[in-house]
Amino acid sequence: DIQMTQSPSSVSASVGDSVTITCRASQSISSWLGWYQQKPGQAPKLLIFPASNLQSGVPSRFSGSGSGPDFTLTINSLQPEDFATYYCQQGNSFPLTFGGGTKVEIK
Amino acid sequence: EVQLVESGGDLVQPGGSLRLSCAASGFTFSSFSMNWVRQAPGKGLEWVAFISDSGNSIYYADSVRGRFTISRDNARDSFSLQMNSLRDEDTAMYYCVRSPRMSRVGLDIWGQGTMITVSS
Repeated sequence: DIQMTQSPSSVSASVGDSVTITCRASQSISSWLGWYQQKPGQAPKLLIFPASNLQSGVPSRFSGSGSGPDFTLTINSLQPEDFATYYCQQGNSFPLTFGGGTKVEIK
Repeated sequence: EVQLVESGGDLVQPGGSLRLSCAASGFTFSSFSMNWVRQAPGKGLEWVAFISDSGNSIYYADSVRGRFTISRDNARDSFSLQMNSLRDEDTAMYYCVRSPRMSRVGLDIWGQGTMITVSS
């Protein structure tokens, strides 16, 4: 199984800051990585898949990059609605696997 | 509007069975692969099962293989998860999730979730 290692597990930031979350796969997954945002009490929402492809309706302050084993999600100019937990997920092979999550908290 | 609606969540005793259903609307259901993903209380996301658009390809997480069965009915725009021999560790919110039409598997549309509690 492909293990997904996500870091940091939590980050404190202020409105207007930029935040970078990293995700490393235990083997190459090409560009088959997704990023998800989950707010308390809600289902996750797909932000980016694969790797750098922003989903329709997702603000352009979100961006994804990387390939092979190493990926990043960057949120520029954090907005109040961006405080949430973010997960990466590899879609290259079964079983699909997720990173442990990164909680973006208000400083 | 593209929508997925789960049903069937409940409190069940260890060793018991439960069937979850997911109703799809707003898209051509028969053209998309589907998944179940779960989340234990306060924990991260765990993929559970996948079924291809035709139903010919099915995959399971090791943690549920042999106990859970995924199926679909394209004529009724719905799919299901039959859960047998339930364990405490199966307690979670279960989401039905669509995969976009790509060669690899993303998870683009999520239902609101249905809660399964396994407890005596």
